[in-house]
Amino acid sequence: GAVVSQHPSWVICKSGTSVKIECRSLDFQATTMFWYRQFPKQSLMLMATSNEGSKATYEQGVEKDKFLINHASLTLSTLTVTSAHPEDSSFYICSEGAPGTDTQYFGPGTRLTVL
Amino acid sequence: EDQVTQSPEALRLQEGESSSLNCSYTVSGLRGLFWYRQDPGKGPEFLFTLYSAGEEKEKERLKATLTKKESFLHITAPKPEDSATYLCAGNFGNEKLTFGTGTRLTIIP
Repeated sequence: GAVVSQHPSWVICKSGTSVKIECRSLDFQATTMFWYRQFPKQSLMLMATSNEGSKATYEQGVEKDKFLINHASLTLSTLTVTSAHPEDSSFYICSEGAPGTDTQYFGPGTRLTVL
Repeated sequence: EDQVTQSPEALRLQEGESSSLNCSYTVSGLRGLFWYRQDPGKGPEFLFTLYSAGEEKEKERLKATLTKKESFLHITAPKPEDSATYLCAGNFGNEKLTFGTGTRLTIIP
């Protein structure tokens, strides 16, 4: 399966600051990557679909001005949480779709804690 | 609205005690049914994809099956290292995955 990395694996920040999370495809080029959020003991909720070279598509209820997604290359997508607040504390996970299939492979996740 | 429902929410088994996890889904439009394993603090690990009723896939102690309205993940003679949350997800034709809430499986030595 595909290999996806995320950086950082965990981050703690103060309320009001911005945090950038990187998601890299290590073994093939990903034109589409997905960003999910997972609260404790809950399932994964899709936040947005990131398309290389174009604007991301956000799910209903996700603020696009708060969660900025950039997919400038075929191997890197970034999620920036702007003006983070404690309620943004969560586990953020990216995934990529394997070429020619609809299987998604997930990164290891980033634990964000906003104080 | 596309939905995926998993049961039970949690399951505790003795080592070697076989059982099954259930995933039911909105019938119309399913293009693929996916099973993942998630360990605490980690991203989901891909296990299986099923596309049509009657299809079965196996990997070690796990076997996934698909009917027209649900999927089962059978675990045979589980070991403590099989303890994890098992997630199922459906692709309903728009590249996106809709996840169930998962079954938290604990295998007791």
